[in-house]
Amino acid sequence: QVQLVQTGAEVKKPGASVKVSCRAYGYTFTSYGISWVRQAPGQGLEWMGWASPYNGKTKHVQKFQGRVTMTTDTSARTAYMELRTLRSDDTAIYYCARDRGAGLVPGCIDVWGQGTTVIVSS
Amino acid sequence: DIQMTQSPSTLSASVGDRVTITCRASQSISSWLAWYQQTPGKAPKLLIYKASSLESGVPSRFSGSGSGTEFTLTISSLQPDDFATYYCQHYNNYSSPFGQGTKLEIK
Repeated sequence: QVQLVQTGAEVKKPGASVKVSCRAYGYTFTSYGISWVRQAPGQGLEWMGWASPYNGKTKHVQKFQGRVTMTTDTSARTAYMELRTLRSDDTAIYYCARDRGAGLVPGCIDVWGQGTTVIVSS
Repeated sequence: DIQMTQSPSTLSASVGDRVTITCRASQSISSWLAWYQQTPGKAPKLLIYKASSLESGVPSRFSGSGSGTEFTLTISSLQPDDFATYYCQHYNNYSSPFGQGTKLEIK
């Protein structure tokens, strides 16, 4: 069964870092990309960026420049998203998602992880 | 950066109604558009990709159309499970922005 399983909820203080992992099951990991999408409480979906397990290529939205790192480990079939210097407005559900863009650019998303709640609070 | 704008933000309708949601791109995106449905507490679900291709397993009452800068999602006859929030997303670019969402409510 195709699925993405993410790490559990995190509570962090402002200024800290969080690293969310996303383990893939049931498909060829290198044949699809991994997008990261977040959703603040009561808000819409925000695409954060993308990583290609096929060639290691990554892209992310400019607003996260310098704060986010997206990586993949093909031997572990796992993708990671690290967000640093956390602020209260980073409080959100973070989703990893399989997308159909394997190598060059992100594709449409066809499988979603269950989401990881990250709460940033002092 | 390309911006995606949906309208309306909220739509009230009844079971059996035909409804249409619009998504506009700030510049031409060809047909690189997807539609998703999200119900409370759940991850989104892919409905339509490449503007008009129905994802496997999605009921045929859902359809998508458009190209360039204007796109629509149509539900031909609303069912109770369809009351949810719908998002469009541009993809196949170095950025894959979502629209702000359209909440479909029961009238």
